[in-house]
Amino acid sequence: EVQLVQSGAEVKKPGESLKISCKASGYSFIDNYIAWVRQVPGKGLEWMGIIYPGDSDTRYSPSFQGQVTISVDKSISTAYLQWSSLKASDTAMYYCARHVRELPQGWDYFDDWGQGTLVTVSS
Amino acid sequence: EIVMTQSPASLSVSPGETATLSCRASQSVRSNLAWYQQKPGQAPRLLIYGASTRATGIPARFSGSGSGTEFTLTISSLQSEDFVVYYCQQSITWTFGQGTKVEIK
Repeated sequence: EVQLVQSGAEVKKPGESLKISCKASGYSFIDNYIAWVRQVPGKGLEWMGIIYPGDSDTRYSPSFQGQVTISVDKSISTAYLQWSSLKASDTAMYYCARHVRELPQGWDYFDDWGQGTLVTVSS
Repeated sequence: EIVMTQSPASLSVSPGETATLSCRASQSVRSNLAWYQQKPGQAPRLLIYGASTRATGIPARFSGSGSGTEFTLTISSLQSEDFVVYYCQQSITWTFGQGTKVEIK
């Protein structure tokens, strides 16, 4: 069974740094991209970026480029999302999701999701 | 950037009836379109991918259609657990629509 287990809720002050995690199990971690998705309370889903654990190839949404860093540690099947200086506007639920590409059609989708990590940034 | 626009933002339907949700892409995404369902307090769940293929375990009352820039999610015989929020996502650059909330009439 595929599982993505995310780290717990965080409460931070503006300007602080943060790194949240997403631990994968039940499949070969290096074979699938992992994506991060933001959801501001009461709002919709926003794709932030995606990383391929096999070679750490990373792509960011233009909206999040330079604002966050996505990384992986293959040795422990874990993906990370980090901020160097949080803002109040970073307050949101953050989800990781496993990307699948179904061949031969090449259809892409996110089939398994973590439970979410709530990040609250407040002075 | 490919912009996804869902309509309507909310939809009132009676249980047992059919809901039709629309999703439009700002440029062609061919059949690279997925639909997700999100219940309150839960992570999204994949319903449809490749515009029309149901994900594993998804009931047959959920169906998707369309290609290019116009897509539809149809939910027939609405059950109580279906009155939640639905998102489309294009899977070329992964942007989501803003969501459609299906409410009980």
